[in-house]
Amino acid sequence: AQRVTQPEKLLSVFKGAPVELKCNYSYSGSPELFWYVQYSRQRLQLLLRHISRESIKGFTADLNKGETSFHLKKPFAQEEDSAMYYCAHNAGNMLTFGGGTRLMVKP
Amino acid sequence: DAGITQSPRHKVTETGTPVTLRCHQTENHRYMYWYRQDPGHGLRLIHYSYGVKDTDKGEVSDGYSVSRSKTEDFLLTLESATSSQTSVYFCAIRPTVRNTEAFFGQGTRLTVV
Repeated sequence: AQRVTQPEKLLSVFKGAPVELKCNYSYSGSPELFWYVQYSRQRLQLLLRHISRESIKGFTADLNKGETSFHLKKPFAQEEDSAMYYCAHNAGNMLTFGGGTRLMVKP
Repeated sequence: DAGITQSPRHKVTETGTPVTLRCHQTENHRYMYWYRQDPGHGLRLIHYSYGVKDTDKGEVSDGYSVSRSKTEDFLLTLESATSSQTSVYFCAIRPTVRNTEAFFGQGTRLTVV
């Protein structure tokens, strides 16, 4: 089965520290990967997608096919980055998500 | 926000009763999804639809059924609610599947007592 794994349920860092949220996938073809974010009391929303190679709110994610990873990174965390982050994978018509990582940025 | 609304937003129901959740969109998007969100499990796909009357099972479809009789509405039915179906349910829509953004509803908090 095609899977997305986020090994950390909770990641706590101090403001200004670097952040890396891990995502690993198992898929034999060319993956289509995304990061979604859910801020408190808000809808889940797209943060970035690997095909666009974009930087949103200072976050980047590089697809590493050798390691089958799509880790989300930010060099300097801000308190407003505190949220739930989900890695997602397109598999045919289905969009499947990992278990999510809660990021807490402490002042 | 994308034109997607879920109803009801909150519901408490008794074990064994049927429950129907509604997802309504005004975007004319082809693809619609139902997920449940549980601590430690993230978002798990229940069912999805790729067109009117075209639906398929997701990862956790047991105990759930869906119907899509028109483009704008995707209904999720719990045939006989159980306490394990207490969860937050999210609907999502997409115009296509290739590298496109999914837009989510506000969620429905369902409690089965």
